[in-house]
Amino acid sequence: DQQVKQNSPSLSVQEGRISILNCDYTNSMFDYFLWYKKYPAEGPTFLISISSIKDKNEDGRFTVFLNKSAKHLSLHIVPSQPGDSAVYFCAAINTGFQKLVFGTGTRLLVSP
Amino acid sequence: DTAVSQTPKYLVTQMGNDKSIKCEQNLGHDTMYWYKQDSKKFLKIMFSYNNKELIINETVPNRFSPKSPDKAHLNLHINSLELGDSAVYFCASSQEGIRDSPLHFGNGTRLTVT
Repeated sequence: DQQVKQNSPSLSVQEGRISILNCDYTNSMFDYFLWYKKYPAEGPTFLISISSIKDKNEDGRFTVFLNKSAKHLSLHIVPSQPGDSAVYFCAAINTGFQKLVFGTGTRLLVSP
Repeated sequence: DTAVSQTPKYLVTQMGNDKSIKCEQNLGHDTMYWYKQDSKKFLKIMFSYNNKELIINETVPNRFSPKSPDKAHLNLHINSLELGDSAVYFCASSQEGIRDSPLHFGNGTRLTVT
């Protein structure tokens, strides 16, 4: 039962352009969403999060958008940089249960 | 300074053996976790401990036994290893409440069972 889905396994973008990574979820009880970034041979690192009471959160080049009615969130990176090349995991949680559920990740490649 | 460190980084062993993975965090967090990333890249929670007390125990075979000697350590012991146990195991920690303290992960232990 995959409650968090990232349907695009990979994405290629040119440096300077916008990267848009998508995530869908099925559990309407999720009330907090996070994005993690993972480089090879390292653990995931926290990038940005959003509460279900908001529809947008911005941190520098990274913006997360949440569409609760569609159960969809997206991560926008602009401008994209080669150092952004990594696997990005979407994660969701019902904070009453403290169990973080991850998607399968999207591999982003930003070419110079 | 490594915030969440786990050892070993790589572990190759034969079926039927017993092995342990160690994890330590120096962040002062109250909660520690074990996650498993399988061949399909799913990152799934296995266990969670808060102040040495087990709070999340997913449907994991009882061959897997976590042990928390203190709140800075959470070790994972696996008995009678099977081929399907091959995966990357990540330790993580957070303060109580993921809203205030997103998970910090270790760099993973790649377990290969032959």
